[in-house]
Amino acid sequence: QQQVKQSPQSLIVQKGGISIINCAYENTAFDYFPWYQQFPGKGPALLIAIRPDVSEKKEGRFTISFNKSAKQFSLHIMDSQPGDSATYFCAATLYGQNFVFGPGTRLSVLP
Amino acid sequence: DAGITQSPRHKVTETGTPVTLRCHQTENHRYMYWYRQDPGHGLRLIHYSYGVKDTDKGEVSDGYSVSRSKTEDFLLTLESATSSQTSVYFCALSEGQGAREQYFGPGTRLTVT
Repeated sequence: QQQVKQSPQSLIVQKGGISIINCAYENTAFDYFPWYQQFPGKGPALLIAIRPDVSEKKEGRFTISFNKSAKQFSLHIMDSQPGDSATYFCAATLYGQNFVFGPGTRLSVLP
Repeated sequence: DAGITQSPRHKVTETGTPVTLRCHQTENHRYMYWYRQDPGHGLRLIHYSYGVKDTDKGEVSDGYSVSRSKTEDFLLTLESATSSQTSVYFCALSEGQGAREQYFGPGTRLTVT
């Protein structure tokens, strides 16, 4: 009920390509879905987030698509750059009290 | 890192020894969290605190205890470290219930030999 599934585990994309990471959740009570970006040796940092009453949110090259009926959401990185190479975590929370994280996707963008 | 420091940043210890990790914040945020990060598991919540002396267990709390005697400090203690507790530990903050953003510290890499 509390699990968030994430795929793929790793992703290799050419510079300029589109990176897509998918997540699925079970608990329909979750009310906020953030994505975190983590560089090696650093803590995760909030990248972009969405509420379930919105189907899409875009910030620069990063877009979250949200499908409430399917209980799925995804991160799209347009025009992927080598500097985007990092591990990405999706997460879900209820009231911002406890956060459940996906297992992470390691993205490598080739120059 | 949003005014969050963790100490030590790296530690190697032997099985059976006690270990305490410290998280210090300068943000005056109410909520503080301890997570462990392991390959294939993402971030798993160990304990969290919603105020001074107010703490609760997370998903993987066995073998860990916490204390929060001041707003700015949240301590994680491994009473008797085991090799399964080798991990990277992250502290995180949030402003309080209803605030959805979490801010993470730089992490502590703990190795139990």
